Amino acid sequence: EVQLVESGGGLVKPGGSLRLSCAASGFTFSSYSMNWVRQAPGKGLEWVSSISSSSSYIYYADSVKGRFTISRDNAKNSLYLQMNSLRAEDTAVYYCAREPPSITAADFDYWGQGTLVTVSS
Amino acid sequence: SSELTQDPAVSVALGQTVRITCQGDSLRSYYASWYQQKPGQAPVLVIYGKNNRPSGIPDRFSGSSSGNTASLTITGAQAEDEADYYCNSRDSSGNPRVVFGGGTKLTVL
Repeated sequence: EVQLVESGGGLVKPGGSLRLSCAASGFTFSSYSMNWVRQAPGKGLEWVSSISSSSSYIYYADSVKGRFTISRDNAKNSLYLQMNSLRAEDTAVYYCAREPPSITAADFDYWGQGTLVTVSS
Repeated sequence: SSELTQDPAVSVALGQTVRITCQGDSLRSYYASWYQQKPGQAPVLVIYGKNNRPSGIPDRFSGSSSGNTASLTITGAQAEDEADYYCNSRDSSGNPRVVFGGGTKLTVL
């Protein structure tokens, strides 16, 4: 059974940092691109970042570029999101999502349960 | 960057058919994927590719596309289909990124 379990969320002050983790199991983690998607309270889904299976390709939304860093450790079946210079508008539930190989779409076929990040003084 | 536009809210009578649409330039180049999200839960993929359903998704869910518009159709809507629905696709503006629609709140009457 495919499982994605996020952790690392919490309350942080503006300007602070936080590192999210996503532990994957039930599939060959090293064969899939992975993504972070967030959802602010009462709002829609926002794609944050993606990383290819071998970490060769990394992309960010403009809203987080230069502040967030995505990474992965295929030996540990884990995905990470280092978040620096956090702002109030980064407050959201952060989901990790698996992305099967595709050149015609962006299918996120499995999602974790999410971890809440609250940026407030 | 590309945008995907969805109607904020749609309603359907129990057992009737409803279509939820998603518009954007990127849909001329890429398929839309559709996600169902119920309150307090993570999104679930319901339609991907031309018109494919992941295992466990009822066959009352189907997808289609024409030009810059993708549609999710629920034929014979059930009470449990009441949820938020989101589309996404790759960004076709030259950025290798992903875009989501703003979401559609489906109410089953």
